[in-house]
Amino acid sequence: DTGVSQDPRHKITKRGQNVTFRCDPISEHNRLYWYRQTLGQGPEFLTYFQNEAQLEKSRLLSDRFSAERPKGSFSTLEIQRTEQGDSAMYLCASSLGGGVNTGELFFGEGSRLTVL
Amino acid sequence: AQSVTQPDIHITVSEGASLELRCNYSYGATPYLFWYVQSPGQGLQLLLKYFSGDTLVQGIKGFEAEFKRSQSSFNLRKPSVHWSDAAEYFCAVGAGSGTYKYIFGTGTRLKVLA
Repeated sequence: DTGVSQDPRHKITKRGQNVTFRCDPISEHNRLYWYRQTLGQGPEFLTYFQNEAQLEKSRLLSDRFSAERPKGSFSTLEIQRTEQGDSAMYLCASSLGGGVNTGELFFGEGSRLTVL
Repeated sequence: AQSVTQPDIHITVSEGASLELRCNYSYGATPYLFWYVQSPGQGLQLLLKYFSGDTLVQGIKGFEAEFKRSQSSFNLRKPSVHWSDAAEYFCAVGAGSGTYKYIFGTGTRLKVLA
């Protein structure tokens, strides 16, 4: 399978704990995105990487959230001191930048976080 | 500010009936527009996209959508719905340089009656 993969698919944690999600994009894609989706809502943009550079962070991404893409390949999203409001599906997507078809995103199946 | 509105939260249709899902956007420039489908436990799958050119675009699974600039709309249509089309459908507009930052609507959940 050469699609976007995310791990873990489900994570249940207690409030105050730290969690980390991993995303492996499609191998030739240089752009990687994180979105968050809560129940009954569409995905909301969190942050975006081009290669290893984090180019934009949403205001939704509080100081407790950090994302990295150290070698321009996989990415991690860490949430520190989780709160119940962090419960959501965290979606990763990737795309191939440049050209007339710039912007088509390919999504992974998501990592569902439940904070108790 | 850019936004996407999907006015119908839930739609129920009978199998074989036609379908139209509404999407209205607010965006200052020519938008890049997308429709995605999300089935339970599945990731978002791109149905179709509009970047430029012909305003009627064809997608996968027999779906099509029409871009109407005057109405700021990008409605999704299918002439005959199949039970397997039951899912949640999201309209999105590409915002920002390089269209990397999608803005999604809140989605329309489609139920198909046998």
